Amino acid sequence: AQTVTQSQPEMSVQEAETVTLSCTYDTSESDYYLFWYKQPPSRQMILVIRQEAYKQQNATENRFSVNFQKAAKSFSLKISDSQLGDAAMYFCAYRMDSNYQLIWGAGTKLIIKP
Amino acid sequence: DGGITQSPKYLFRKEGQNVTLSCEQNLNHDAMYWYRQDPGQGLRLIYYSQIVNDFQKGDIAEGYSVSREKKESFPLTVTSAQKNPTAFYLCASSWTLAGVKNEQFFGPGTRLTVL
Repeated sequence: AQTVTQSQPEMSVQEAETVTLSCTYDTSESDYYLFWYKQPPSRQMILVIRQEAYKQQNATENRFSVNFQKAAKSFSLKISDSQLGDAAMYFCAYRMDSNYQLIWGAGTKLIIKP
Repeated sequence: DGGITQSPKYLFRKEGQNVTLSCEQNLNHDAMYWYRQDPGQGLRLIYYSQIVNDFQKGDIAEGYSVSREKKESFPLTVTSAQKNPTAFYLCASSWTLAGVKNEQFFGPGTRLTVL
């Protein structure tokens, strides 16, 4: 069965600095997708970034980028120039190509220090 | 504006009562999902539906029931058989197309508390 592990329950970073959140997953599939979602205090779940497993190039969205290591089954999220509005729970999620269900990690709470 | 609405935002239930959480979407999505979120845990899938009048159990369906009579609506009933229903409930929807663009969009959630 597929699993997603986020080993950092909580991370903190100084405003304007860079932080990396870790995510590892376990799967025997070759075609799949990976996502990072953000859940701020409002609890609205928002998609941050996504990655197709067949693409070697790491996805980027403005200040957010990923380091996708397929062989190592690792999918970390880097947030550059951290802002106070980045404070939230961040969830890593996995989906097989043939299935619409998402498998979720337990989340990492990100604290931004002013 | 297109999106997903959930109501109510807060819900209180007495033990032994059934309660129904509402989820409506106007994104014309085929698939809809219900998740439960507990502190320190990721989202867990309760039920999902890929088409009207059809739905499948997720990982933690016991004590819950759903219906999908309309494409835009997917209500969740928390029955008295659910032993620990206090949690945050999230509804989501998506297309049923293959590919990474098939992301799930989420509603604002309902906080259910058993008194």
